[in-house]
Amino acid sequence: GNSVTQMEGPVTLSEEAFLTINCTYTATGYPSLFWYVQYPGEGLQLLLKATKADDKGSNKGFEATYRKETTSFHLEKGSVQVSDSAVYFCALGGAAGNKLTFGGGTRVLVKP
Amino acid sequence: DTEVTQTPKHLVMGMTNKKSLKCEQHMGHRAMYWYKQKAKKPPELMFVYSYEKLSINESVPSRFSPECPNSSLLNLHLHALQPEDSALYLCASSQNDRVGQPQHFGDGTRLSIL
Repeated sequence: GNSVTQMEGPVTLSEEAFLTINCTYTATGYPSLFWYVQYPGEGLQLLLKATKADDKGSNKGFEATYRKETTSFHLEKGSVQVSDSAVYFCALGGAAGNKLTFGGGTRVLVKP
Repeated sequence: DTEVTQTPKHLVMGMTNKKSLKCEQHMGHRAMYWYKQKAKKPPELMFVYSYEKLSINESVPSRFSPECPNSSLLNLHLHALQPEDSALYLCASSQNDRVGQPQHFGDGTRLSIL
């Protein structure tokens, strides 16, 4: 079946540091890949998506590239802010009914 | 601001109470979802509605009863819940239930069972 593995947190960074969160997946076929972000006390927000190999999703300074050869979808941001402190979920959309398979989530804490 | 609105934001209920959670979206989406999220865990899918019909039930106990009265509304009726049902309940919607459609989430209802 489908599965998503992402690096465990928490990841603690200083402001303006470079952020990478690793995400790898196992799936049959050609799934879509997503990154969602959850700020404290809120629901999940779609951060970015990619629907096919070599697609790059980007939003709010975050980027991720769909790498089929390494089955990865790593999230990167060049210069983080305190406001980027949140939990980030990598998700795979490849099952009937548009079911999402989530990774375990990575908590990111950015210190001033 | 989210385009999926959930009410109430917080709910405390006893194990013998009956209550309902409400979810509303006006994006014209025809697929809607209920998730349960425990602390420090990813959301777990409970139900999927497609064109107002229940299409997926992830073996959820019958004390949770979903309802989709129209294309904009999704309810979750709660009865005789257990303490382990305390969690954040999230609603989501997507354009349809075809594979790969991005899902848009509400801010959730935080439920506490006494």
